[in-house]
Amino acid sequence: KAGVTQTPRYLIKTRGQQVTLSCSPISGHRSVSWYQQTPGQGLQFLFEYFSETQRNKGNFPGRFSGRQFSNSRSEMNVSTLELGDSALYLCASSRGENTEAFFGQGTRLTVV
Amino acid sequence: LAKTTQPISMDSYEGQEVNITCSHNNIATNDYITWYQQFPSQGPRFIIQGYKTKVTNEVASLFIPADRKSSTLSLPRVSLSDTAVYYCLVGPLDTGRRALTFGSGTRLQVQP
Repeated sequence: KAGVTQTPRYLIKTRGQQVTLSCSPISGHRSVSWYQQTPGQGLQFLFEYFSETQRNKGNFPGRFSGRQFSNSRSEMNVSTLELGDSALYLCASSRGENTEAFFGQGTRLTVV
Repeated sequence: LAKTTQPISMDSYEGQEVNITCSHNNIATNDYITWYQQFPSQGPRFIIQGYKTKVTNEVASLFIPADRKSSTLSLPRVSLSDTAVYYCLVGPLDTGRRALTFGSGTRLQVQP
């Protein structure tokens, strides 16, 4: 059974640019959550989608957005990149209510 | 979600039992306790979850006293591959699995 797949694995962008990250959940999983991990702030919840609807949202500026498609794949977009957006972005999927979250290997974003 | 406090780091040797304690004084009645493990440049991996007393699986045991204000993750006979960061999370079961709030975690270093 394939795990959570995140693409790309590594990305280098320039300040001011925008970036889109992709997450393919485990087959059958309808919930996709996104997290940002930095050495200073640790692992922080960004948002969660279920059946194409955003159900939960963390405390991040509006530059961070996401969406989920009908096949449960999800994308996360960050606009007007800042140096502080450099982080490991993790995606987790689960079947839905009260089920274990499975994480992908993440996308390492570097903003220069 | 209830705030958690864990030791920043711990050292152990191969073959020893390791106990990592997490304090969660403000745990609510409907909160569960969940532990995740994270290796460098990988997403967290679910280890174990419990509500009270003791839970055991093939990887670890989780001990929760009657007042539930703390919990202890026990790793029997650790090996070098158990070197990782361990996170204790506390929250309602439905959000505990999907909108996860991670603390600073405990960095476990296992020596030969």
